[in-house]
Amino acid sequence: GAGVSQSPSNKVTEKGKDVELRCDPISGHTALYWYRQSLGQGLEFLIYFQGNSAPDKSGLPSDRFSAERTGGSVSTLTIQRTQQEDSAVYLCASSVDRGQRELFFGEGSRLTVL
Amino acid sequence: GENVEQHPSTLSVQEGDSAVIKCTYSDSASNYFPWYKQELGKRPQLIIDIRSNVGEKKDQRIAVTLNKTAKHFSLHITETQPEDSAVYFCAAHGSSNTGKLIFGQGTTLQVKP
Repeated sequence: GAGVSQSPSNKVTEKGKDVELRCDPISGHTALYWYRQSLGQGLEFLIYFQGNSAPDKSGLPSDRFSAERTGGSVSTLTIQRTQQEDSAVYLCASSVDRGQRELFFGEGSRLTVL
Repeated sequence: GENVEQHPSTLSVQEGDSAVIKCTYSDSASNYFPWYKQELGKRPQLIIDIRSNVGEKKDQRIAVTLNKTAKHFSLHITETQPEDSAVYFCAAHGSSNTGKLIFGQGTTLQVKP
């Protein structure tokens, strides 16, 4: 079956513009994560969705960042008024449930803010 | 909140030697510890995991050990091969109530032929 799909794969934007990054998780996966990976850095947790529960937003770096998940499936990560330090690869991952299960990652969306 | 520290940040070994990567975690409620491998330009993929009810797990050339008292766990790769060259991430999963998986900073492993 299809894996986790992310779009766009690459996005170049000007400082101050808003961007939206999309994630299509594996069908049936109830848990969905967003991570940020800056060049040569680790995987920084941003936000976690589980089913219909309120998302865990504890990793969002500022109020310019928000995410939603519609219908328990597709998720959109929105960055408003982008800054150069937002440049990174944004990785989405999904897993079967909230439990201790394997995360399946997408290819990521590379964001460059000029 | 949960914090995971990983060392070393870079590791270079000769082909055939062993490699060890160590991680510590802060949340004593953590009970699941996976390791992910990320090859250059690729997505991270799970290579092995361990749960808090065991102290060691092996899968061919890789093994993971867990010391819950000290709150640290390690990845051991024996008989390293050039294709083992990648970035390795440890992670800790909190109690079932939290759900989120927190990763360490990553270790870049280079295996020299």
